[in-house]
Amino acid sequence: DAGITQSPRHKVTETGTPVTLRCHQTENHRYMYWYRQDPGHGLRLIHYSYGVKDTDKGEVSDGYSVSRSKTEDFLLTLESATSSQTSVYFCAIGTSGDTQYFGPGTRLTVL
Amino acid sequence: DAKTTQPPSMDCAEGRAANLPCNHSTISGNEYVYWYRQIHSQGPQYIIHGLKNNETNEMASLIITEDRKSSTLILPHATLRDTAVYYCIVRRHSGGGADGLTFGKGTHLIIQP
Repeated sequence: DAGITQSPRHKVTETGTPVTLRCHQTENHRYMYWYRQDPGHGLRLIHYSYGVKDTDKGEVSDGYSVSRSKTEDFLLTLESATSSQTSVYFCAIGTSGDTQYFGPGTRLTVL
Repeated sequence: DAKTTQPPSMDCAEGRAANLPCNHSTISGNEYVYWYRQIHSQGPQYIIHGLKNNETNEMASLIITEDRKSSTLILPHATLRDTAVYYCIVRRHSGGGADGLTFGKGTHLIIQP
């Protein structure tokens, strides 16, 4: 399995609070991704990174920001969490941007 | 990326080969066929991919028809742990870009004891 960890694995928070999810890799892969998975929508790309300090928006980026100050870490921040952001969040990594390997996921509940 | 069509669900007996079909009739010449699976509550797991030749690895075999309009993922000796949703994805290699994967509804494969 690819060396990807996500933290926290579960989080419950309240509407309006900031939340940061962390993805950590030990594979030195260039590309990192954040997805969310919701019933009826499948996986949707939020943001991705193609190198340190290089990030770009995905399909559903509104309400989310990301940062990548080191190759191994990709952070996803919800500046002010809303109930619509209750979801399971998956991080993925890749070498060339083609085959992607996924982490175990973070289950976030916004009350 | 080309659209794929998969049956919503399939059953297979434990120990038998599981053959999962995928139709991708609009596939382009530079698009690859990828297979992922997702076991309940876990992250998607990469299985295999190919362009036009058949491929095999330690997990599965991928058979792509000569016209490339369909493919079959074969799990040679299915176990209960292979129960999962299997996704067939067709996509170009981004050549240095970074495109997200688009997962459809997939096939829910249930391995029966």
